[in-house]
Order: sequence, then structure tokens, then C-alpha cells
Amino acid sequence: DGGITQSPKYLFRKEGQNVTLSCEQNLNHDAMYWYRQDPGQGLRLIYYSQIVNDFQKGDIAEGYSVSREKKESFPLTVTSAQKNPTAFYLCASSPGQLDTDTQYFGPGTRLTVL
Amino acid sequence: GESVGLHLPTLSVQEGDNSIINCAYSNSASDYFIWYKQESGKGPQFIIDIRSNMDKRQGQRVTVLLNKTVKHLSLQIAATQPGDSAVYFCAENSGAAGNKLTFGGGTRVLVKP
Repeated sequence: DGGITQSPKYLFRKEGQNVTLSCEQNLNHDAMYWYRQDPGQGLRLIYYSQIVNDFQKGDIAEGYSVSREKKESFPLTVTSAQKNPTAFYLCASSPGQLDTDTQYFGPGTRLTVL
Repeated sequence: GESVGLHLPTLSVQEGDNSIINCAYSNSASDYFIWYKQESGKGPQFIIDIRSNMDKRQGQRVTVLLNKTVKHLSLQIAATQPGDSAVYFCAENSGAAGNKLTFGGGTRVLVKP
């Protein structure tokens, strides 16, 4: 099956710990994105990557880090510097050929800080 | 700043009726718009998109209308079904480098049997 996978579905973290969320796609898309969604709200962009080995900060990058060593993978690390990390995290990808490509989303990871 | 917003946070509709979800955008430079459907606990699902050189686009049971004069976008769902119950988001893309989307806050659609 082609698509975007995120793991784990649920993640619990103690305060002060870093945690890494996985995002993999087999759509051969160039661009990948990470969003955060808080209850009852829209999506906010954390980081995005248009090509391997390159990524850019989004609107709320503080306390997060990413890497893009492979085209199909774009892991997100939520660091202890993130003040309010409990949220629903969504990964997306797009072909990357245009500046107005459709973005397709994964199933999300719900992170809860205990 | 530029933003995308929705007029109605919750829409209740009778099964079989048509639904209309509205969205206002403020960035006149936006030239690509997408509607997503998000069911509880899941990622957003692409429904339909429209580019600024069009004012209407139809899909299966869905129609998107774009009025650039008043910066308004709407999603019409025909013969609404229980499976249409979800939160619907509009998103705009200004075409700037990075293919970045700006999302509205979402409208919850509740379908009554």
C-alpha cells in the first residue's frame, strides 16, 4: 500500500524527556511537513522539508528539531525545551514539483506529557 | 496578519439534506485552496481543491465555490450522510516558496439521522 505512516499512534512522555516521532512515506514525494494540532483548533506548521538534507522552520519551530537524511523519512524530535508538547502531531507530504501542491496527511501521533 | 477563518464552528444537518460550509480568507495573493475532512483521532483527508483561475469545481457529492471578489470559499456536500460527520478545514496556499498552507480553525458537521 502506498501512503504515509506515523508511529506510534499514542506516545507518553515524562517532563524533561526528548521524544522522537516517526513519519515515513512511500509515495516518492519530495516534500514533507510536520504540523501540530491542539484540541478544537486548526493545524500549525512546525517544520518542512522540500528536499533531502534540507529543512526549514515553520511558524512554531521552537522546542522541536527534525532531520531529513532519506527521502522517505522525516522524523520529528520534541525536546524538553518545548513548553507545552501535549498535542496531536500530523505529518504530511506532497510531490514537491509545484509551490501549490496538495499535501496528504498521515494518521497522526497523539503525544501526552505526564 | 493573513488568516483563513470559518464562519460557523458547528453545523447540524439532517441526513439527506445538503450542507454548506463557509470559509473566509484574507490573503488576496492566495491562489490555491484545499478542503480537508478530519474524523476524530485521524489525520485530515483531502476532499477537493480549487485554483484561483476557477470559481467552481465539482467532485463526487462535493462542490467547492470560490469568490475572489469577497475572498470567500465554500464547500457544498450533497445528500449529507452519517459518514460525512467530521470536522472540515479549509486551507489556503499563497504560492510562496515552500508550499505552505494556512489552515482555518475548522467547522464540525453533525449529521442527524
